[in-house]
Amino acid sequence: ETGVTQTPRHLVMGMTNKKSLKCEQHLGHNAMYWYKQSAKKPLELMFVYSLEERVENNSVPSRFSPECPNSSHLFLHLHTLQPEDSALYLCASSRSAGGNRDYGYTFGSGTRLTVV
Amino acid sequence: AQSVAQPEDQVNVAEGNPLTVKCTYSVSGNPYLFWYVQYPNRGLQFLLKYITGDNLVKGSYGFEAEFNKSQTSFHLKKPSALVSDSALYFCAVRPRWDTDKLIFGTGTRLQVFP
Repeated sequence: ETGVTQTPRHLVMGMTNKKSLKCEQHLGHNAMYWYKQSAKKPLELMFVYSLEERVENNSVPSRFSPECPNSSHLFLHLHTLQPEDSALYLCASSRSAGGNRDYGYTFGSGTRLTVV
Repeated sequence: AQSVAQPEDQVNVAEGNPLTVKCTYSVSGNPYLFWYVQYPNRGLQFLLKYITGDNLVKGSYGFEAEFNKSQTSFHLKKPSALVSDSALYFCAVRPRWDTDKLIFGTGTRLQVFP
């Protein structure tokens, strides 16, 4: 385990369902991220939270809604998704801006999402 | 636009032979540079990073990477490949001037044959 835990590991949902992905870290990091990994594409940064405030939203459709209730937890709420949203969703954490930016990220194992 | 290029979708190498996985970047300034590895059904694991100093950095599992400023490259290398090195490798760049942004390449699949 890396210290970043994602649940569930696998999720199959219909286009009308509502579900949530969960990410948890106890590394003392104060920045958390959601990435989308699709085959043969660069990792797509979706959302960035620094000190529990959203600092970046890379033009992500509103059917994806993040929530960061505290520095250790990050959620991605999903509703009315499309089949093309099927992908591996990765959560990561790091020491944030204002700290040492030479640190990389620590990633979770991801949630494999399939939209049917 | 800032970008990271990994020109090879796949690299094949025989066990025991040296390997190189290529990465070039287009990011202004002197960014921080990283390599990550992803095994099947796992998240990305940190391998090594370049911050400053010696152009050759050593990382986990016997990997090393060479930073070339003039060519804006950061190629991953290993003197003797193992079958267990087979995985997906990502190069990433973090601009010094931009908070919290890590820009990834498309990844290169390394296949080491016995």
